Amino acid sequence: EAGVAQSPRYKIIEKRQSVAFWCNPISGHATLYWYQQILGQGPKLLIQFQNNGVVDDSQLPKDRFSAERLKGVDSTLKIQPAKLEDSAVYLCASSLLGTTTNEKLFFGSGTQLSVL
Amino acid sequence: KQEVTQIPAALSVPEGENLVLNCSFTDSAIYNLQWFRQDPGKGLTSLLLIQSSQREQTSGRLNASLDKSSGRSTLYIAASQPGDSATYLCAVYDNYGQNFVFGPGTRLSVLP
Repeated sequence: EAGVAQSPRYKIIEKRQSVAFWCNPISGHATLYWYQQILGQGPKLLIQFQNNGVVDDSQLPKDRFSAERLKGVDSTLKIQPAKLEDSAVYLCASSLLGTTTNEKLFFGSGTQLSVL
Repeated sequence: KQEVTQIPAALSVPEGENLVLNCSFTDSAIYNLQWFRQDPGKGLTSLLLIQSSQREQTSGRLNASLDKSSGRSTLYIAASQPGDSATYLCAVYDNYGQNFVFGPGTRLSVLP
């Protein structure tokens, strides 16, 4: 079974530039998550989709971050404009239905973003 | 607000030792707790999932226990190997927030 695919693996940009990350979840997984992981910390949820609807985006800085999940499959996360403090690893994860059913989370390898 | 802590932050042991990693959470209203492994530059891999009604789960040399009332979980690794070197994170699925809250992780080094 193919895992969660993310691209790019690395991205270096200057502050105030824009950047986009792409995620393709495991086939058939209804729930998709974007997490931000700052060095030395655990992942923090940015946004959760159930199919193509947003379940939770309470921690997404909506003045600069946006995300969409087209047709309930692939997802993109965008930052515009980027700030220095956005330097982190952006992880995408998926699960079959939803975590209230005690399912495991499957993570992609992440995109490491450096904002200079 | 749910908070998850992990002790120790880093641990270095010689190969063959048995070891215990600790995870604490502040609110016992959880659906489940998962232990993850993260290798450098990689995503997280789920190791064990304990439902709130369960006390422990085992997979190979790994055993995870859950004491929901005291807000604690432990991950026991038997006969550690250099290949076990990684960061281990625990995460609880919080009933109120309806999402996972992660701890900062324990960075484990197993020396040959």
